[in-house]
Amino acid sequence: GESVGLHLPTLSVQEGDNSIINCAYSNSASDYFIWYKQESGKGPQFIIDIRSNMDKRQGQRVTVLLNKTVKHLSLQIAATQPGDSAVYFCAERAYFGNEKLTFGTGTRLTIIP
Amino acid sequence: DTGVSQNPRHKITKRGQNVTFRCDPISEHNRLYWYRQTLGQGPEFLTYFQNEAQLEKSRLLSDRFSAERPKGSFSTLEIQRTEQGDSAMYLCASSGRGVLTDTQYFGPGTRLTVL
Repeated sequence: GESVGLHLPTLSVQEGDNSIINCAYSNSASDYFIWYKQESGKGPQFIIDIRSNMDKRQGQRVTVLLNKTVKHLSLQIAATQPGDSAVYFCAERAYFGNEKLTFGTGTRLTIIP
Repeated sequence: DTGVSQNPRHKITKRGQNVTFRCDPISEHNRLYWYRQTLGQGPEFLTYFQNEAQLEKSRLLSDRFSAERPKGSFSTLEIQRTEQGDSAMYLCASSGRGVLTDTQYFGPGTRLTVL
């Protein structure tokens, strides 16, 4: 069945360094992937998304990489700042027209000053 | 603020009571979603509306749960005869009209505590 998982539950990174958060998915038919950031007591905040016909997409200080061969997704955050400390979730959509997102359990990113 | 709003932000109730939550989506969005999130977990899909039509419901949505979106704008989620296992954050999200406007934007959530 569908599943989205994260390799590491916690990640600590020195301020100013780059961070990489990884995510594995099992449904090869998934057509859309999205990363969210969630701070304590708040709802998930959209960071960046990517469709299955792309390998890479860049935003402001963030890059998402999609490797469909090994069903792996990663989020790279450049020059991390204290405000980047949060839990990061990847989510997938099984196919176009299926609006349900399936989330993983999240990775807690802590930025060390 | 033009984002998704949810009310109330917090709700404490006793087991067996009914509760109702409200979600106001981003104004131009026609799709609205409800998710539930328990501590340490990612959000789990509950149900989804396109305009006023409820198009999909998760198996998580038991008979005690009902969601409505009567005029295709705001939505309500009601839980009848609450149980302690219903304690969670209830999240609402909305997305736009077009084929490539898939991004679901979330509200701040309603945290439910059932005593």
